[in-house]
This record gives sequence, C-alpha cells and structure tokens, in this order.
Amino acid sequence: AQTVTQSQPEMSVQEAETVTLSCTYDTSESDYYLFWYKQPPSRQMILVIRQEAYKQQNATENRFSVNFQKAAKSFSLKISDSQLGDAAMYFCAYAMNYGGSQGNLIFGKGTKLSVKP
Amino acid sequence: DAGVTQSPTHLIKTRGQQVTLRCSPKSGHDTVSWYQQALGQGPQFIFQYYEEEERQRGNFPDRFSGHQFPNYSSELNVNALLLGDSALYLCASSFTQGGRGNYGYTFGSGTRLTVV
Repeated sequence: AQTVTQSQPEMSVQEAETVTLSCTYDTSESDYYLFWYKQPPSRQMILVIRQEAYKQQNATENRFSVNFQKAAKSFSLKISDSQLGDAAMYFCAYAMNYGGSQGNLIFGKGTKLSVKP
Repeated sequence: DAGVTQSPTHLIKTRGQQVTLRCSPKSGHDTVSWYQQALGQGPQFIFQYYEEEERQRGNFPDRFSGHQFPNYSSELNVNALLLGDSALYLCASSFTQGGRGNYGYTFGSGTRLTVV
C-alpha cells in the first residue's frame, strides 16, 4: 500500500526567509503524481504545486518549488520569500495514475507552518 | 467560474442518526471524491463517483454510501452515526475526461459534522 510521511509536525519561518517542508512516500508504482496542498483556517484545501513522476524537471509555481527525488522517494517543498499569508497546514499527497484516470489522493499528516513578522 | 460548493457548512447530529452531505463540483468537472478529515489528521479517502457510479472506495464501512446525479453533483450519506464519525468532510472534484494534463483535485471548504 502506498504511504505518505511528513516528519515535521510544525515549522516556523521568518517573513521574507526561505523554508523547506519535507515529505517522503512509499510506492511500487512508476506512474503517479505528487501534490502539495495548503489548508488555511478556512478549511479549504488549496493546490500549491503538482509534480508528475515521469517528469524529471522539478515543478515551480512562483515562490513555491519542489525537490523531487524519485529514487529516494522524496518530495520536499521550498517556499521562498515567505509571506504572512503562507501560514497554514501543508499536506503532501500522492495519487496513482490508473490507466489514464487519476487515483484517489493519499495524504500525509501535515506540517503546520507559522510565519513570524 | 464556480468552485466546489458543499452544504451544509456545519451540522450537529445525535449518535445513531443518519446524515446527508451535499457537493456541487467545479464547473466542467465530472468526478467527485469524498474525504474524511479527523482533527489534526490528513484527509482519508472515502469513495469516488464518476458517471453516476462508485469507481473507487477507501477503507470505510458500508454505513458510508453515496450518489452522483446526472448534473455531476453528489451526496454522501452516513447511517447509524458514531461519535467517531465527527470530522470535517471534504468534497473534491476533478475532470476524468480531461486526461493527464488536467490531473488535480479542487476541494470545497467542507462540512464540519459533530456527533453527540
């Protein structure tokens, strides 16, 4: 069974600084997707960034980038120039590709990020 | 472009009762998934509906059932409520016919269910 592990329950960063959130996963599949979701107190899960396993290039979205190490099954999220609005729970998630259809998301337990002004 | 809409936002039920939660997917999406998020935990997959049929199911008892309507909206039903069913229930929609380029789920803000 696939699993996702986030080993940092809480992280803190100074405004304008850079922080990296860690995620490891376990799967025997070769075709899958990895995601980082942000969940603020409003409860809605917001997609931060997506990585396709068959693409070696690391995904980037403005201040957010990932370090995808497929062999090590590691998928970390780097937030540059941290802003107060980045404070939230961050979840790493995995989804397998079922012959053209995306499988269900498997989430880690989350990392609570605090941003200090 | 409307996002995912869930109703109600909060609900309090008594143990043993039945509850129905509703979800309208994002415009253009054809697939609806339901997740249960206990306090302090990551969401757990309940099931997914596509073309009005349950396509995938997580490790949840038969007390949890669902339905998808022709307009792609969906309901989650939970029978014989237990105290342990208290959680945030999230609905997520996606576009199966969109192929690889459209992989990703859009989530609603959830329904907070409290069982007393």
